[in-house]
Amino acid sequence: DAKTTQPPSMDCAEGRAANLPCNHSTISGNEYVYWYRQIHSQGPQYIIHGLKNNETNEMASLIITEDRKSSTLILPHATLRDTAVYYCIVRPILTGGGNKLTFGTGTQLKVEL
Amino acid sequence: DTGVSQDPRHKITKRGQNVTFRCDPISEHNRLYWYRQTLGQGPEFLTYFQNEAQLEKSRLLSDRFSAERPKGSFSTLEIQRTEQGDSAMYLCASSLAAGGNTIYFGEGSWLTVV
Repeated sequence: DAKTTQPPSMDCAEGRAANLPCNHSTISGNEYVYWYRQIHSQGPQYIIHGLKNNETNEMASLIITEDRKSSTLILPHATLRDTAVYYCIVRPILTGGGNKLTFGTGTQLKVEL
Repeated sequence: DTGVSQDPRHKITKRGQNVTFRCDPISEHNRLYWYRQTLGQGPEFLTYFQNEAQLEKSRLLSDRFSAERPKGSFSTLEIQRTEQGDSAMYLCASSLAAGGNTIYFGEGSWLTVV
């Protein structure tokens, strides 16, 4: 079962920052927080991941609270092409069990003009 | 390298027929995963390989489903005696085996059983 809770949908105006929250209150010290997104009819796309510290790459920023029980994915300047389902996933660090990804239902982000 | 490749992208088949999907992972990725996704749901794990060994199978993988990765490179997923409930997108993904290595997905293979 998914170990994260996300709002089912969010709207964002184009050009504004999109802040997508995720609760993972049962996360252990041996688990990363990963974010993927899935644009309609395409495969999931990796965005970013983190363990304790905040992370930033060319796509997004990931803010993880100090207690690690929640995180926020930030798309700094959302465009129409960012309309997608965003998945927050807790993933084991250790390789046993394939450290596979377990998806929930994600957040449908709609970016509008 | 162009990423994970899946073939065919779309397949329509009659109930009771067998179908096979192929996945070519990213070069040198020794882990390969299969997922299934139905409308409105997130992808669900089916099975994974490390090299040619199939190390885990989900209970979703009924006896009609079989996956192989004979030489530790490409993989096939076969569904025998298809049922309408098998209609879904079948996703393949790959990664290196080291902990925390990112899993990359293909574009998926859509199956419609009529």
